[in-house]
Amino acid sequence: EDQVTQSPEALRLQEGESSSLNCSYTVSGLRGLFWYRQDPGKGPEFLFTLYSAGEEKEKERLKATLTKKESFLHITAPKPEDSATYLCAVQAFGGSQGNLIFGKGTKLSVKP
Amino acid sequence: KAGVTQTPRYLIKTRGQQVTLSCSPISGHRSVSWYQQTPGQGLQFLFEYFSETQRNKGNFPGRFSGRQFSNSRSEMNVSTLELGDSALYLCASSRGQGEAFFGQGTRLTVV
Repeated sequence: EDQVTQSPEALRLQEGESSSLNCSYTVSGLRGLFWYRQDPGKGPEFLFTLYSAGEEKEKERLKATLTKKESFLHITAPKPEDSATYLCAVQAFGGSQGNLIFGKGTKLSVKP
Repeated sequence: KAGVTQTPRYLIKTRGQQVTLSCSPISGHRSVSWYQQTPGQGLQFLFEYFSETQRNKGNFPGRFSGRQFSNSRSEMNVSTLELGDSALYLCASSRGQGEAFFGQGTRLTVV
């Protein structure tokens, strides 16, 4: 069964304290892995797509990497406005392209 | 460029009633997917429509249904509402492959 597990469930950081979020996945064949950010009461906001092991994507203080079994979202020198829930999702071959399998997310809090 | 628009944003319904939610995708996107988000289960896939055809369906009871119109707008319907249907319902649109973009969701409360 295709599955996505994110850790930790919650992470508290001080402003400027870099860290990483983990997304482990089990999928029959990976079509793509996606990272989203979700603020309370809002829909997920797309961040990155990764397709193959070794691929990296960067945006401001965020960097996403992908291996054959997991993905990391590295946050460098975070600011309070980075506080949100970060969601990881995979799209598998064989399933339709609209069917994303989500992890339960990591809730990030960044204190000034 | 307009994003994904979901209406209404909030709904309160009584057990046993039915409800219809609407989603207007990004212009040019032909795929619309629906998800249910609850604190306990996270985001769960309901179904996907592409060019007016249901392409995939998640593991939800038949009370949950949907459709897509020729202009790619989509609706989902839940009949005979139960308390457990209270959730944030999210719609996502894509070109059919690659990343999906989400709307702000409809918060449904069943009392």
